[in-house]
Amino acid sequence: GAVVSQHPSRVICKSGTSVKIECRSLDFQATTMFWYRQFPKQSLMLMATSNEGSKATYEQGVEKDKFLINHASLTLSTLTVTSAHPEDSSFYICSARGGSGGAQSPQYFGPGTRLLVL
Amino acid sequence: QKEVEQDPGPLSVPEGAIVSLNCTYSNSAFQYFMWYRQYSRKGPELLMYTYSSGNKEDGRFTAQVDKSSKYISLFIRDSQPSDSATYLCAMTPWGVTGGGNKLTFGTGTQLKVEL
Repeated sequence: GAVVSQHPSRVICKSGTSVKIECRSLDFQATTMFWYRQFPKQSLMLMATSNEGSKATYEQGVEKDKFLINHASLTLSTLTVTSAHPEDSSFYICSARGGSGGAQSPQYFGPGTRLLVL
Repeated sequence: QKEVEQDPGPLSVPEGAIVSLNCTYSNSAFQYFMWYRQYSRKGPELLMYTYSSGNKEDGRFTAQVDKSSKYISLFIRDSQPSDSATYLCAMTPWGVTGGGNKLTFGTGTQLKVEL
């Protein structure tokens, strides 16, 4: 149980284009989803927290107009990197919290999406 | 000073050894503690999740929490080459509804188990 999927696993795009990444909780309802960014050999950096049906809460320094987050259902959240530039190239990982433990459940992570902007 | 301190390693051990991974923290509000394993180019995988001080065992893994010392450990028995990965400790102050239960991570310890 507690499986989180991400799609795509890898994407290469040209500078200036927008990229959408999907995060799905496959076997539980995720009341809260999180989006992280990870640079090589570094720990995860939280970008934003989203609750189903509400606007996402962004961490300080993260541009909400650049990284659009939608959490339209209890099993799906999307991150759209708008007008991507090479400096947006990174490993993006989502996590979901929910399941039988509710608010006391741990976060379960997706496999990550590697974004390369040329 | 970081809220969570974790030795980045790398830690290299022979196959079959007992591995001890540790984190210290400064925020006494942290109540829930997790250990994640992350293979290269993959998302973190939850290994252990605990609230109480003391030990929690799951197969070859034992998580230990000492809230009085603000110190947590993960022990891996009979280590295997497949255990080679980065191990992240994580913790959060909340266990009730509300907020986002944001996790505070350690930097991760890179472990290599050699044949």
